[in-house]
Amino acid sequence: RKEVEQDPGPFNVPEGATVAFNCTYSNSASQSFFWYRQDCRKEPKLLMSVYSSGNEDGRFTAQLNRASQYISLLIRDSKLSDSATYLCVVGLGNAGNMLTFGGGTRLMVKP
Amino acid sequence: DGGITQSPKYLFRKEGQNVTLSCEQNLNHDAMYWYRQDPGQGLRLIYYSQIVNDFQKGDIAEGYSVSREKKESFPLTVTSAQKNPTAFYLCASSSGHPNEQYFGPGTRLTVT
Repeated sequence: RKEVEQDPGPFNVPEGATVAFNCTYSNSASQSFFWYRQDCRKEPKLLMSVYSSGNEDGRFTAQLNRASQYISLLIRDSKLSDSATYLCVVGLGNAGNMLTFGGGTRLMVKP
Repeated sequence: DGGITQSPKYLFRKEGQNVTLSCEQNLNHDAMYWYRQDPGQGLRLIYYSQIVNDFQKGDIAEGYSVSREKKESFPLTVTSAQKNPTAFYLCASSSGHPNEQYFGPGTRLTVT
């Protein structure tokens, strides 16, 4: 079983749609959670951290469910520019502050 | 401009040659990391360093070596012992608190 699992997609949605991605993690000791965005052939960029209380940044909302060990990302009013791969990332908060990356979910927003 | 730089962007080498990838940051971050990404796959940790003159193996360290002589710099050498070196190599750094990591633009290495 992978430590961080995501549906690879692709999710094909029309502009203006709402789309949600889920991610599950296996280590219950995980302490930090993030969503990164990666454009084709580019480096990952931090989209948002995910807090226990949930958090929102414009059209993006992230939720964490520690009991079920899953993280979600909701994108409202999708734009063409949202097309990318979204990486779910989990940290143990261990000495090395290492992060474990999911394989990513690919989103394609169509006109 | 604060950030992480990696050079070169593309690198081509013949099998059997060692090659060193550069990573420099001016964010004053203590921790630095090297990952490799293969097509359609997630990032895998090669090496990391939390402080100057100290580094630790990640999940796939075999065939790689690193050094951390300066806080700003964390070069990665891909040796001839690495069986499948062709990949996208990403360097990242982190202040540790919070522990988000920030990435350089990556080096795409092709070995033939």
